[in-house]
Amino acid sequence: NAGVTQTPKFRVLKTGQSMTLLCAQDMNHEYMYWYRQDPGMGLRLIHYSVGEGTTAKGEVPDGYNVSRLKKQNFLLGLESAAPSQTSVYFCASSRQGGNQPQHFGDGTRLSIL
Amino acid sequence: AQRVTQPEKLLSVFKGAPVELKCNYSYSGSPELFWYVQYSRQRLQLLLRHISRESIKGFTADLNKGETSFHLKKPFAQEEDSAMYYCALLNTGGFKTIFGAGTRLFVKA
Repeated sequence: NAGVTQTPKFRVLKTGQSMTLLCAQDMNHEYMYWYRQDPGMGLRLIHYSVGEGTTAKGEVPDGYNVSRLKKQNFLLGLESAAPSQTSVYFCASSRQGGNQPQHFGDGTRLSIL
Repeated sequence: AQRVTQPEKLLSVFKGAPVELKCNYSYSGSPELFWYVQYSRQRLQLLLRHISRESIKGFTADLNKGETSFHLKKPFAQEEDSAMYYCALLNTGGFKTIFGAGTRLFVKA
């Protein structure tokens, strides 16, 4: 049981390049999330999804897009990478309903030069 | 506004000393609160949640609605407790978690 799997683990991009981060979960969770983690700022929610085919903006959505075509996958896209998007990105999933904790992936370290 | 505040970025204690990681929240509804922990080279994971009233690895946290706090406590810190700790609030509806900025705990030998 892998839980939440993120690919890739590391990536270096040049400014203006695009890329997609993949998150997959095998726990049949309804909710999925993308966060970025920056020093001194904790985890900030980028986008989230409460079910297949639905997405919503979080706290810092600008410059990112997401898709949830399949329940188990949640993709995060950067159309035109900027140095300010250098961060560690975490995907998480949780069951529907109250008091459900989030299960996290290992993170993706992304550097934009 | 919904907010979680962890006032200490870094907390350093000696092994065997008591430790308290502070967390204050701002939320208009009935909060559901969690503590998450990230050990070195490991993924972020749930430590405990207030509704369970449990003690995990010797840690406890009590929800104080009057002071809007959810401080994490352990009577005797161990070196393996060194990690990054995040306090988090789950919104009504259960689909959005707000995290604090985190506190790095360093337990010295």
